[in-house]
Amino acid sequence: EVQLLESGGALVQPGGSLRLSCAASGFTFSSISMYWVRQAPGKGLERVSGITGNGVDTNYADSVQGRFTISRDNFKNTLYLQMNSLRVEDTAMYYCAKGGVEVPFDQWGQGTLVTVSS
Amino acid sequence: EIVLTQSPGTLSLSAGERATLSCRASQTITGNYLAWYHQKPGQAPRLLIYGVSRRATGIPDRFSGSGSGTDFTLTISRLEPEDFAVYYCQQYCNAPLTFGGGTKVEIK
Repeated sequence: EVQLLESGGALVQPGGSLRLSCAASGFTFSSISMYWVRQAPGKGLERVSGITGNGVDTNYADSVQGRFTISRDNFKNTLYLQMNSLRVEDTAMYYCAKGGVEVPFDQWGQGTLVTVSS
Repeated sequence: EIVLTQSPGTLSLSAGERATLSCRASQTITGNYLAWYHQKPGQAPRLLIYGVSRRATGIPDRFSGSGSGTDFTLTISRLEPEDFAVYYCQQYCNAPLTFGGGTKVEIK
């Protein structure tokens, strides 16, 4: 069974940092692109960042470029999102999702909540 | 970046009625790489349709997708109580992957 389990969400002050993790199981992790998608309270879905299976290619939304870094450890089957210089507008539920270009997001994690507030 | 515009923003219908949701792209979506997701309150999104018209595993046949180029439609033939949710379209033909703003299907 394919499973994605996010962790690392928390309440943090503006300007702070967090690292989110997404533990994957049930599929060949290293062969598939992975994404982080977020959803602000009461809002729609926003692609945050993606990474190819081998970790070579990454992409970021303009709103997080230069502040967030996506990475993966294919030995640990884990996806990460390092979030620095957090802003109030980064407050959202963060989901990891399996898929990418030419591959739909056929599996999502349950999400981890990031709240940025003083 | 491909912008996806969904309409209507909210659809008020009764159980048993037919729902028709629209997704319009700012440029042609190649390879039929257009998907639909639904999201119930407090839950993660779930894949419904991919490749414009292919139902994901476990999705009942009252859900169908159609369209090509820049105009796509999700149809729910007869709404069941569990279908009242928010629906998003997504293009995954090229980066950056983008989502539509969503259509909320609510009970009338």
